[in-house]
Amino acid sequence: DGGITQSPKYLFRKEGQNVTLSCEQNLNHDAMYWYRQDPGQGLRLIYYSQIVNDFQKGDIAEGYSVSREKKESFPLTVTSAQKNPTAFYLCASTPRTGRTEAFFGQGTRLTVV
Amino acid sequence: DQQVKQNSPSLSVQEGRISILNCDYTNSMFDYFLWYKKYPAEGPTFLISISSIKDKNEDGRFTVFLNKSAKHLSLHIVPSQPGDSAVYFCAATGIFSGTYKYIFGTGTRLKVLA
Repeated sequence: DGGITQSPKYLFRKEGQNVTLSCEQNLNHDAMYWYRQDPGQGLRLIYYSQIVNDFQKGDIAEGYSVSREKKESFPLTVTSAQKNPTAFYLCASTPRTGRTEAFFGQGTRLTVV
Repeated sequence: DQQVKQNSPSLSVQEGRISILNCDYTNSMFDYFLWYKKYPAEGPTFLISISSIKDKNEDGRFTVFLNKSAKHLSLHIVPSQPGDSAVYFCAATGIFSGTYKYIFGTGTRLKVLA
């Protein structure tokens, strides 16, 4: 079955550490996205990539980094520069041309301890 | 400016009645609109969509209406069921300066009361 997989589901990080969240899709989609959701809040765009080896900052990119070396994979690194990283992180993918539904992973809940 | 707004953070409806969720957008360059449903600790799942060339799209109990002049869309759920209780996000897509954008609203939490 085609889909999008995020791992891990739960992640705990000590202050000052970098952590990387995994996102893999086998839908052959060109575009991939990372969103952050805080309690009672909507989805805020962190980074997006429309093609391999290219990515763009979203609305809240500070303290995050991404790479897109393969079409299937779009890992997100939460760096120590991110001042409030505790949140629910969602990865999504779409065909590049848009006008279509986005497929989401199940999310990763990151907690700073 | 490319924003999508859902001004009602929550809505409670009695089972069997109609639920109406609203969404406003700021830019007429958005040309495709979608609604997603999200349960806690899960990713959103697609519900229904509408192209800007239409003003209504229906799928079972779900109907989306688009008013382009008002830059407003709404999702109607009839009849509402307890299993519909979730957070609903609207999303708008379009090409801006050659870049395809996919923008979500902040969500409306629907509670259907049995």
